[in-house]
Amino acid sequence: GAVVSQHPSRVICKSGTSVKIECRSLDFQATTMFWYRQFPKQSLMLMATSNEGSKATYEQGVEKDKFLINHASLTLSTLTVTSAHPEDSSFYICSASRSGQGARGYTFGSGTRLTVV
Amino acid sequence: GQNIDQPTEMTATEGAIVQINCTYQTSGFNGLFWYQQHAGEAPTFLSYNVLDGLEEKGRFSSFLSRSKGYSYLLLKELQMKDSASYLCAVTRTTSGTYKYIFGTGTRLKVLA
Repeated sequence: GAVVSQHPSRVICKSGTSVKIECRSLDFQATTMFWYRQFPKQSLMLMATSNEGSKATYEQGVEKDKFLINHASLTLSTLTVTSAHPEDSSFYICSASRSGQGARGYTFGSGTRLTVV
Repeated sequence: GQNIDQPTEMTATEGAIVQINCTYQTSGFNGLFWYQQHAGEAPTFLSYNVLDGLEEKGRFSSFLSRSKGYSYLLLKELQMKDSASYLCAVTRTTSGTYKYIFGTGTRLKVLA
């Protein structure tokens, strides 16, 4: 159990366009999902916390108007990178929290490699 | 604030033992995780410590000292496939939500 699907796994887009990344919890309900970004040879940086039915909470330095997060249901959160630029090229990973399991109840998605050309 | 430090790179020989250290400073500490990450893939869970002491799981062991803000991951009988990045992650609660804060990661290279 506790599978998180992230789609797409890879995407290449032109500069100035928008890209949507989906994160789905397949066999459990996730009231909270997290979005991370990872640049080459660096660690995961938390971007935002996505809560079902409410606005996402963004970490300091992350532009909320550029990285739109929608957590419309208990099994789906989406991250939209708007007006993408080459510097947004990165590995984006989501994780989902399984209710009632505290800190141990987190499962990561398989990640999305975004390349902006 | 929070600060989590790990060595950037380590090299070890196949069959050997390696210890990867992690020091942290954070408020609302609620446990420490170790993850393994191969290039281009998502992290995979290795261990979780919430109380002081050693947790052993096969070739991998993890130790935590909360008073010292210190943890280590011990890998025994190293194999070539253990070449990967190892991420230390501290969990903390903020307004009832658990958050993972990742360390800088340690790239381990296992040599034949």
